[in-house]
Amino acid sequence: QQQVKQSPQSLIVQKGGISIINCAYENTAFDYFPWYQQFPGKGPALLIAIRPDVSEKKEGRFTISFNKSAKQFSLHIMDSQPGDSATYFCAAALGGGADGLTFGKGTHLIIQP
Amino acid sequence: ETGVTQTPRHLVMGMTNKKSLKCEQHLGHNAMYWYKQSAKKPLELMFVYSLEERVENNSVPSRFSPECPNSSHLFLHLHTLQPEDSALYLCASSRLATQNTGELFFGEGSRLTVL
Repeated sequence: QQQVKQSPQSLIVQKGGISIINCAYENTAFDYFPWYQQFPGKGPALLIAIRPDVSEKKEGRFTISFNKSAKQFSLHIMDSQPGDSATYFCAAALGGGADGLTFGKGTHLIIQP
Repeated sequence: ETGVTQTPRHLVMGMTNKKSLKCEQHLGHNAMYWYKQSAKKPLELMFVYSLEERVENNSVPSRFSPECPNSSHLFLHLHTLQPEDSALYLCASSRLATQNTGELFFGEGSRLTVL
C-alpha cells in the first residue's frame, strides 16, 4: 500500500516558468515532509523540508506548501531553470526520524530552454 | 560529494553468483540504510542499522544479507538473486533518529543487473 502518492509522473516546463509537483499522504501521524532531488547517476539529496506546524516554507526559488486538513503538500519551483531538470521525490516520516521515511514514486522534471 | 561512497558502481551477476555491495560513510553518522530503487516505483527501504544494530528489515528476501561491521561501513551480500532484483541499490546514512533532522545522505548507488 502506497502511503505517499505523488503526481505528475513527469513534467515539462519552459525556462522561467513555475514547476509544481503534488503529494498526498494517508497517515495523519506523519510529521516531517522532505523533498529530495536526484540527478542522473547520483543519489537523491535533500532539497527542502517542512513540518506540519507551518503552512509554507521557502528557500530561494523552492517553496513547499502544506495543507494539513487536506493531507497534501506540494513543491513549487519558481523561475525554473534547465539546471533544475531532475527527478523529485516527496517523502513523509514519523517522529522526524530518517528511519521512517516513506517516499513517493518520483516526478521526472524537464525544464526546456 | 555527499560523503557516502558506494562500490562497485555497476555490477552484472548471474543468478548463481555471490557478490557484495559496499558502502562507506565519512560523515560521522551512526545510522545507515539500504534502499532499492526501481523504475517507476517509490524508493524501497530494505534495512536500517542504528549503532551497528539492525533495527529494521522490511520483509526483504533472505537472498539479501546485510552486514554492518562498524558505524562507517555497510555491506549488502547477494546470493542466488533473481532477474527482478535488478535495480539501483542506494546506501544512505544519517545521525541517529533521536537527534537528526530526518536528512538522509545518499551515495551514488550500485547499479545491479541480474542475468
